[in-house]
This record gives sequence, structure tokens and C-alpha cells, in this order.
Amino acid sequence: GDSVIQMQGQVTLSENDFLFINCTYSTTGYPTLFWYVQYSGEGPQLLLQVTTANNKGSSRGFEATYDKGTTSFHLQKTSVQEIDSAVYYCAMRVYTEGADRLTFGKGTQLIIQP
Amino acid sequence: DPKIIQKPKYLVAVTGSEKILICEQYLGHNAMYWYRQSAKKPLEFMFSYSYQKLMDNQTASSRFQPQSSKKNHLDLQITALKPDDSATYFCASSQEWSQNTLYFGAGTRLSVL
Repeated sequence: GDSVIQMQGQVTLSENDFLFINCTYSTTGYPTLFWYVQYSGEGPQLLLQVTTANNKGSSRGFEATYDKGTTSFHLQKTSVQEIDSAVYYCAMRVYTEGADRLTFGKGTQLIIQP
Repeated sequence: DPKIIQKPKYLVAVTGSEKILICEQYLGHNAMYWYRQSAKKPLEFMFSYSYQKLMDNQTASSRFQPQSSKKNHLDLQITALKPDDSATYFCASSQEWSQNTLYFGAGTRLSVL
């Protein structure tokens, strides 16, 4: 079945550090890939998405490239700030007849130390 | 102002009881969804509705019943509650079913004792 793997449960960085969060996916279909961010006390909100393989998505300084060859969609940011502290979820949507679901990774808690 | 309202924010129930989780969206969307987030697990899809009709269901148990009284409402009734049902339940919506962008509510955290 479809799956999304985020191995890092928690990442702790200092302000202005480089951020890299791993995400790999597995599907036999044609996915659209997403990163969602969840701030404390809120629901997940869309950070960025990419529909087409080998394209890059970007938002608020975050970037992710849909790499079909390595089935990856890693999230990066050059210089993190304290306000980036949140949980980041990689997600995949594979539409099939009669079914349209988002499959989420387990999430990565990002802690930014001032 | 939140555009997807979930009530209550926190809910404590006893085993065997029944509860209804409320969800209303004011985005003018035609598709609504329920997701569940249990401790140490990823967000899991439960149901999707389009124009008040069930489109997709990944919840094996009939104890979970969505109810859509209006186009912008999708409540979730849970009967015969068990401790394993303890989780945060998120309602979401999108402009149309199978459109990419989902908007989530803040969730209802349910604890079953």
C-alpha cells in the first residue's frame, strides 16, 4: 500500500541553522506531494505542494523537490527562525477511482533554540 | 477567525458511552473529511464527503458514523467508546472532492477512560 516515511521524530536547531527533514514515499500511483505544518494548538496547514515529478515547491523560505528517481520529497530551509518551531508532516495524495486520501508521515517536531 | 470550527476542543468520555464531535466550515467548500491522530501515529484518513454524500471510508468500525445535516456540517458520532478511540480528531475541507488543498480545523482531543 501507499506509505510516507519520516524517520526524524525530532530535530533541534539554533536560529539561522540549515534545516533538512527527510521524507520518502512509496506508491504504485502518481502522487501529489505535500508538506504540512502544525503549530501548537492548531490543525495542520498546507506549507507547500508539488504535483509534477522533478518540480520544486517553495513557500515562506521552505523548499522541497519531488524526486521521482529517489522517491523523496525532503524539506529544506536555509536559515530557520524561532517562529518555525512546529511539527512538519510530509504527505502524499494518490487519487484512484472512488478514493481520494492523504497519507501522512509520522511528523517531525522542529525545535528552534534562540 | 477560524474558518473551520470544531467543538468541543477537549472531550472526556467513559468507556461504553457515545459522543458527537461537531464540525462546521465557513469556507464555502463542497467536500469535508475526518482524520484521526492517535498517540505516536500519523494522521489517518477516516471519511470523505462531497455534497453531503459519503465518498470514501477507511474506518472499519461501524461505531464511527459521520452525519451531515447541512452542506457545511460534518459531525462524527462515536458509539460504544473504547480507550483505544482516544485521539485527536481533525475535520478538514476542500473546495471540491479530489482537489489538492485541504484545510484543517484545530481538532477535538478525545480521551476515553
